[in-house]
Amino acid sequence: GAGVSQSPRYKVAKRGQDVALRCDPISGHVSLFWYQQALGQGPEFLTYFQNEAQLDKSGLPSDRFFAERPEGSVSTLKIQRTQQEDSAVYLCASSLEGVYSNQPQHFGDGTRLSIL
Amino acid sequence: DAKTTQPPSMDCAEGRAANLPCNHSTISGNEYVYWYRQIHSQGPQYIIHGLKNNETNEMASLIITEDRKSSTLILPHATLRDTAVYYCIGIVLETSGSRLTFGEGTQLTVNP
Repeated sequence: GAGVSQSPRYKVAKRGQDVALRCDPISGHVSLFWYQQALGQGPEFLTYFQNEAQLDKSGLPSDRFFAERPEGSVSTLKIQRTQQEDSAVYLCASSLEGVYSNQPQHFGDGTRLSIL
Repeated sequence: DAKTTQPPSMDCAEGRAANLPCNHSTISGNEYVYWYRQIHSQGPQYIIHGLKNNETNEMASLIITEDRKSSTLILPHATLRDTAVYYCIGIVLETSGSRLTFGEGTQLTVNP
């Protein structure tokens, strides 16, 4: 079946612009996670949802970052007034059950964001 | 969640078993050990996880020592496509949920 799909695959924006990154999780998956991966580093947690509820947003680096999952399926990560340090790969993952289960996460291939 | 320690790099010959170690000396009793890998330009891929017992699936085996302070991921017959960064991650689900904290990982290179 289809895996986690992220779009766009690549995004180039000028500093100060707003961007929106989309994640389509595996159908029926309850939990959805966002991670940020800087070049040469491991992914770092940003936020997670259980259905439409955002249970943890402690990893969001600033109030310029905002994530939503209004119907408990597709999620959007929005970054306002982008800065060069926002350049990274943004990864989305989904899991079959709630965030406190031991079910594994399935990742998309990410959106590579470059801020000029 | 326990801090995990992995060697930065390892090499393995194609067709041989790859044994990737992970130390987690401060692991707690209810803490799971998860393994993921990341091939260049792709998202991380789940491999296997365990709590106390050894586990095996179609991809790999996970051997956890009796004191649970370390574990080994075994790829029984490594292929060139197994070249990737391998991450060992400890998670206490009750406190942090299933959020993953990736460390430096081990760069495994499978050589022909």
